[in-house]
Amino acid sequence: AQTVTQSQPEMSVQEAETVTLSCTYDTSESDYYLFWYKQPPSRQMILVIRQEAYKQQNATENRFSVNFQKAAKSFSLKISDSQLGDAAMYFCAQRGSQGNLIFGKGTKLSVKP
Amino acid sequence: DTGVSQDPRHKITKRGQNVTFRCDPISEHNRLYWYRQTLGQGPEFLTYFQNEAQLEKSRLLSDRFSAERPKGSFSTLEIQRTEQGDSAMYLCASRVSGRGDTQYFGPGTRLTVL
Repeated sequence: AQTVTQSQPEMSVQEAETVTLSCTYDTSESDYYLFWYKQPPSRQMILVIRQEAYKQQNATENRFSVNFQKAAKSFSLKISDSQLGDAAMYFCAQRGSQGNLIFGKGTKLSVKP
Repeated sequence: DTGVSQDPRHKITKRGQNVTFRCDPISEHNRLYWYRQTLGQGPEFLTYFQNEAQLEKSRLLSDRFSAERPKGSFSTLEIQRTEQGDSAMYLCASRVSGRGDTQYFGPGTRLTVL
């Protein structure tokens, strides 16, 4: 079965600092996609970054980057130069067999000014 | 590109009533997904459509739930005889099949069953 585990229910970071959110997953697929989505309070979920499993290079989007460890089935998100607007729930997800997304339980990120 | 829209944003109903939600996907997206998100959890897959065909239903989708996507455009999700356990956020997402896997989400419909 495909699963996604986020072991940090809450994290906190000082503005301008760096924070890493953890995610592990399990899959028997050889070709798969991994995602980080952000869900601000009372606002819709938006894609932060995606990683294709066959690509060895870690994905990067501006201040957001991932550390993709395929053998360890680990997919962590690093946020650099944290901003107040980064405060949100962050969900790690993988693509399911029907193209649906399988999500972890999320990590609530607080940013302190 | 106006994004995925959902209506209503909030719905309060009494137990036993029927409710219907609507989702309008991004116009060129042929795949449409429904998810349910309860407090403190990540979204869980309910069902999806490719064009007008409903291709998969999760075991979470009981017989009281039905979804349609007439003409492959907007979709509706109906819950009959609502129960308090149905209280959740219902999310809709859409994407283009065969062109990457990024799903774009709507703002959700928050259902409260009293």
